[in-house]
Amino acid sequence: AQKVTQAQTEISVVEKEDVTLDCVYETRDTTYYLFWYKQPPSGELVFLIRRNSFDEQNEISGRYSWNFQKSTSSFNFTITASQVVDSAVYFCALSEANSGAGSYQLTFGKGTKLSVIP
Amino acid sequence: NAGVTQTPKFRVLKTGQSMTLLCAQDMNHEYMYWYRQDPGMGLRLIHYSVGEGTTAKGEVPDGYNVSRLKKQNFLLGLESAAPSQTSVYFCASSYSAGTGFSGANVLTFGAGSRLTVL
Repeated sequence: AQKVTQAQTEISVVEKEDVTLDCVYETRDTTYYLFWYKQPPSGELVFLIRRNSFDEQNEISGRYSWNFQKSTSSFNFTITASQVVDSAVYFCALSEANSGAGSYQLTFGKGTKLSVIP
Repeated sequence: NAGVTQTPKFRVLKTGQSMTLLCAQDMNHEYMYWYRQDPGMGLRLIHYSVGEGTTAKGEVPDGYNVSRLKKQNFLLGLESAAPSQTSVYFCASSYSAGTGFSGANVLTFGAGSRLTVL
């Protein structure tokens, strides 16, 4: 069965600090997809990134970067020079290619609440 | 472009009452999902649908029923509400695997429906 672990329940940083959110996953599939979603205080879930299991290239998007390492089953998310608007709950999620009749069910971690203090 | 719309946004029920949450999407997505979010638990899949007229159980289906009579709508029903069903419910949708679209398994979420059962 697939599993996603976000060991950090809550993190507080001072504005402009860098912060890394950890995500460790378990799956028996060789083909799978990893995601990060952001849930700001308003409550909606915002898609940030998708990475497939065959693409271990790190990705950078502005102040956001993602480090995917299959050897350690990790997909960590770093925010550089954090801002107050980054305050949110961040969810890591996993989708196996063969999960349930071809659907794309996501298994979510429990989330990491990030508070950026001005 | 509305995306995924959930109604109602808030509802208070008494134990034993029934209700239906409606999810509507205007993106012509094949797949639709219902998740529930509880503090410290992340999001857990209740039921999902891979097409009109088909539904399947997710991780926590007990106490819920669903229907997908039209492609754009996915209804979540509680026949006899219990306090344990107090939660925030999220509907999501995605393209199907057959589209070949690279973002096919990216889920788009609604804004959520907060349900309280007294």
